[in-house]
Amino acid sequence: DVKVTQSSRYLVKRTGEKVFLECVQDMDHENMFWYRQDPGLGLRLIYFSYDVKMKEKGDIPEGYSVSREKKERFSLILESASTNQTSMYLCASSLTQGAGGEAFFGQGTRLTVV
Amino acid sequence: AQSVSQHNHHVILSEAASLELGCNYSYGGTVNLFWYVQYPGQHLQLLLKYFSGDPLVKGIKGFEAEFIKSKFSFNLRKPSVQWSDTAEYFCAVRPGGSYIPTFGRGTSLIVHP
Repeated sequence: DVKVTQSSRYLVKRTGEKVFLECVQDMDHENMFWYRQDPGLGLRLIYFSYDVKMKEKGDIPEGYSVSREKKERFSLILESASTNQTSMYLCASSLTQGAGGEAFFGQGTRLTVV
Repeated sequence: AQSVSQHNHHVILSEAASLELGCNYSYGGTVNLFWYVQYPGQHLQLLLKYFSGDPLVKGIKGFEAEFIKSKFSFNLRKPSVQWSDTAEYFCAVRPGGSYIPTFGRGTSLIVHP
């Protein structure tokens, strides 16, 4: 089974802190994604990466950056955390080719910024 | 940009009732379609997917979905729900040739025993 592991289930950070959310997948997937999940808004794409060191902005990239130095690891960085970034953050991965193509998700990180 | 609409935001049913959750998308080309489920406290997981072929797709736990190309729809159905189906359900669309799935806003389903 594909496993997508996010480093923390719950985080509490202070306004202005730099926050790192880590995600690792074990199935050699090319694509990795960071989504933000908020009630009533569904999943909104922050950033995605289709290869090592490659990244593309999603729908809501402001206030975030990402890093993908190795194929299996995709990090989301909040440069200066703000209270409106309190949310559930979901990491996902997928293959590019083949009949699969569905996204596999991690457990999520619930971030609270105080 | 493509969009995905889920018309039912909250659905409350009694056990054994039938379920249909609507999903419409705006993209006009080839699409790959997905339904995901998120049980309370758990990660999102795939219920079923459509890539090609038979437009009636069967998934896990007795769920099925029908792709109607002319209506840009991919509605999820289950003939008889159980209390354990209480969860949030998300429809997603991935245009052919794209890496990225776009998700709907989700439908919260509560099934009363």
